[in-house]
Amino acid sequence: QVQLQESGPGLVKPSETLSLTCTVSGASINILYWSWIRQPPGKGLEFIGFIFDSGSTNYNPSLKSRVTISGDTSKNQFSLKMTSVTVADTAVYYCARANLALGAVYIDFWGQGTLVTVSS
Amino acid sequence: DIVLTQSPGTLSLSPGERATLSCRASQSVYSSYLAWYQQKPGQAPRLLIYGASTRATGIPDRFSGSGSGTDFSLTISRLEPEDFAVYYCQQYGDSLFTFGPGTKVDIK
Repeated sequence: QVQLQESGPGLVKPSETLSLTCTVSGASINILYWSWIRQPPGKGLEFIGFIFDSGSTNYNPSLKSRVTISGDTSKNQFSLKMTSVTVADTAVYYCARANLALGAVYIDFWGQGTLVTVSS
Repeated sequence: DIVLTQSPGTLSLSPGERATLSCRASQSVYSSYLAWYQQKPGQAPRLLIYGASTRATGIPDRFSGSGSGTDFSLTISRLEPEDFAVYYCQQYGDSLFTFGPGTKVDIK
């Protein structure tokens, strides 16, 4: 069974950098696509970006200037860095796996999510 | 960029009733790239439907998806108590995911 677990600080100060890591078990990050998605309290889901099996990345255009996703295949982890955070970045952050099957692309496994609060 | 709109925003129904949720895209979406998720409070979303109409593993057959082009729907044939939740549609395009704003199905 594929499992994903987010880790990182739950509190970040405005203007600082948010850093989260997703540890994957039961699957290799060298296969398929791996993503970060966030959900502000009481709101909907927002896609942040992908790291693909090739190691390349793609980001939501609205966040692209502040976001970097990277992978560490030796630890089977991938990470999110978001710079210059504001209170609007307060959200539950999920890591997730995107599967490709029969021509479809969809998220089949999610982490439990971690709440990151931006506050001084 | 493709924008997904879901309607209604809230659907108030009783257990045993039929629920029909709509997802409309601002431009045509490849059906294989359309998925539906269910989210309950405090939980991560759960995949229900992918490829517009294929149920994910373990999803009861009371859930069905249909549609093509710009109009897609999720139907729950008979609501069970555990089905009251928020439902999101999502599409994949230009190597990005886009989510709809969600439809909340609550108990009438």
